[in-house]
Amino acid sequence: DGGITQSPKYLFRKEGQNVTLSCEQNLNHDAMYWYRQDPGQGLRLIYYSQIVNDFQKGDIAEGYSVSREKKESFPLTVTSAQKNPTAFYLCASSIRIRGTGSQPQHFGDGTRLSIL
Amino acid sequence: AQKITQTQPGMFVQEKEAVTLDCTYDTSDPSYGLFWYKQPSSGEMIFLIYQGSYDQQNATEGRYSLNFQKARKSANLVISASQLGDSAMYFCAMRAYNNNDMRFGAGTRLTVKP
Repeated sequence: DGGITQSPKYLFRKEGQNVTLSCEQNLNHDAMYWYRQDPGQGLRLIYYSQIVNDFQKGDIAEGYSVSREKKESFPLTVTSAQKNPTAFYLCASSIRIRGTGSQPQHFGDGTRLSIL
Repeated sequence: AQKITQTQPGMFVQEKEAVTLDCTYDTSDPSYGLFWYKQPSSGEMIFLIYQGSYDQQNATEGRYSLNFQKARKSANLVISASQLGDSAMYFCAMRAYNNNDMRFGAGTRLTVKP
């Protein structure tokens, strides 16, 4: 079945360590997104990418980095510069928006990141 | 800038009754879409329903309907005949037609009582 796969489901980071969260989709979507969700709150956009080899910062990009070398993959690296990384991270994808806004974003099951 | 407001942190409803979850939005874009998502305790985000800013009729999808009042900038979700499995967080979101940036509200936690 088509969908979005995030791995790992749970991830622990040591002080000063970079960690990478994986996001793979087989929906043939051009656009992909990374969100951060803190307990009891909504989603905040970290980065998004509309096409391969291109991406834009969202509202809270500091301390994070991404790459988009393949259409199917959009990994997120949480760097040591992100001082409060404990959160739930959601990856999403959608058809690239062209003059209409009806396409929903499809989400993965998320990765829970905690500090050791 | 776009902003989504959900003023109900938590709501309770009796099983088999209807419930309305509130959502108001603010945008200067004339063309936009409004979305509702459900997030069970497992964490995944499930798309429920969509309403376009130019749609003349309120959207419906099974037990879900959207009460869209454009002049008031509100897009409330109505769930009819609530079921225990409807207990979850519900998020309202908005995106301008020419923009990939989707904005989410803070969410409403719905609890369905047996």
